[in-house]
Amino acid sequence: QVQLQESGPGLVKPSQTLSLTCIVSGGSISSGGYYWSWIRQHPGKGLEWIGYIYNSGITYYNPSLKSRVTISVDTSKNQLSLKLSSVTAADTAVYYCARDLKGYGELDYWGQGTLVTVSS
Amino acid sequence: QSALTQPASVSGSPGQSITISCTGSNSDIGLYNFVSWYQQHPGKAPKLMIYDVSYRPSGVSNRFSGSKSGNTASLTISGLQAEDEADYYCSSYTSSTSQVFGGGTKLTVL
Repeated sequence: QVQLQESGPGLVKPSQTLSLTCIVSGGSISSGGYYWSWIRQHPGKGLEWIGYIYNSGITYYNPSLKSRVTISVDTSKNQLSLKLSSVTAADTAVYYCARDLKGYGELDYWGQGTLVTVSS
Repeated sequence: QSALTQPASVSGSPGQSITISCTGSNSDIGLYNFVSWYQQHPGKAPKLMIYDVSYRPSGVSNRFSGSKSGNTASLTISGLQAEDEADYYCSSYTSSTSQVFGGGTKLTVL
């Protein structure tokens, strides 16, 4: 059974960089041809796709966030990372990592999510 | 503004059937058969209920079914149960942003 667990600071100051990690257990992040994704959910709002990484290095980002987002993997630690630069209060959200079966939005395993608040 | 349009809320009584619609465009739902539906209970992560328009992942009840016509996808829940009360989100692959979600629909079981 695949499990994902996000971790990172719960509070980030405006203009700084948000950094989160997602540890994957129950399977190798570098096998299976899956797409490893980040999604966020603003408080009381809907879901927003941030981007994904596959083949251990190929990335694709939501164009609305592309200039500020970096997704990477560390295969030795079996973990996924998200960096979002120049954050503002609008980036306050619950951030989820998830596995996408084929890169078309079939997100079959999710982490429990981690709330990140941007505030001074 | 979400790219996919869902009703804000729907409701039904136990045992009844309800349908949630998800309207997109000919750049997403109308172009690809990559529509997914997610169930989210309060404080929990979303759960995949339907993928590729009408396929159910292992372990998902056959009371949940999906379909698509033109630019609109639908999720139908039959034999409504109390535990079905949750928020439901559709998503679609899209030619412009890769993936897009609907704004969500709150299902109330009366």
